[in-house]
Amino acid sequence: EPEVTQTPSHQVTQMGQEVILRCVPISNHLYFYWYRQILGQKVEFLVSFYNNEISEKSEIFDDQFSVERPDGSNFTLKIRSTKLEDSAMYFCASSGTGQDEQYFGPGTRLTVT
Amino acid sequence: GIQVEQSPPDLILQEGANSTLRCNFSDSVNNLQWFHQNPWGQLINLFYIPSGTKQNGRLSATTVATERYSLLYISSSQTTDSGVYFCAVEANTGGFKAIFGAGTRLFVKA
Repeated sequence: EPEVTQTPSHQVTQMGQEVILRCVPISNHLYFYWYRQILGQKVEFLVSFYNNEISEKSEIFDDQFSVERPDGSNFTLKIRSTKLEDSAMYFCASSGTGQDEQYFGPGTRLTVT
Repeated sequence: GIQVEQSPPDLILQEGANSTLRCNFSDSVNNLQWFHQNPWGQLINLFYIPSGTKQNGRLSATTVATERYSLLYISSSQTTDSGVYFCAVEANTGGFKAIFGAGTRLFVKA
């Protein structure tokens, strides 16, 4: 069964450093998403991406964040200058269309020290 | 924006018991999904159910879109059912994003 994959599973970084989280969505899906979950809290939407551009973003997705689909398979989230409060689990998801079921990857746990 | 409320926030069951989890939402939705977050943090798709009723083994779900709620039924619970159950909706007001509820934390005792 096709699945969304994410790498790395866990990343530790120092405050102020840049990190890139990587995702491989399901191959025939057209919509891609990033969400985050701070420990013990609910899952929050960050950004959706379609046709090589951002469809929608939340107020959390400020200038320190960016997304890219550098090739036909990868979808990345870059955090330019990490802060302690960026520590969270980051989930990538994909869907066939914008209103279809979303499939989530296993997440990348980001720890900022 | 749309509000998603789940109840109860916490639930402790004896193995073998049945339970009903509820998700209320404040506006009309294009879709609704139920997820189980396991102890390793993975979000497992349970149901994609914008309306109607679906069953998958011991789990079933019903969404009454006109009344803005969904129910997840767990029958004959097992210890492996423990974890957090999230409801997530996509509002029908444009934009493609899932809005999650705060979840129901379930613990099933052996």
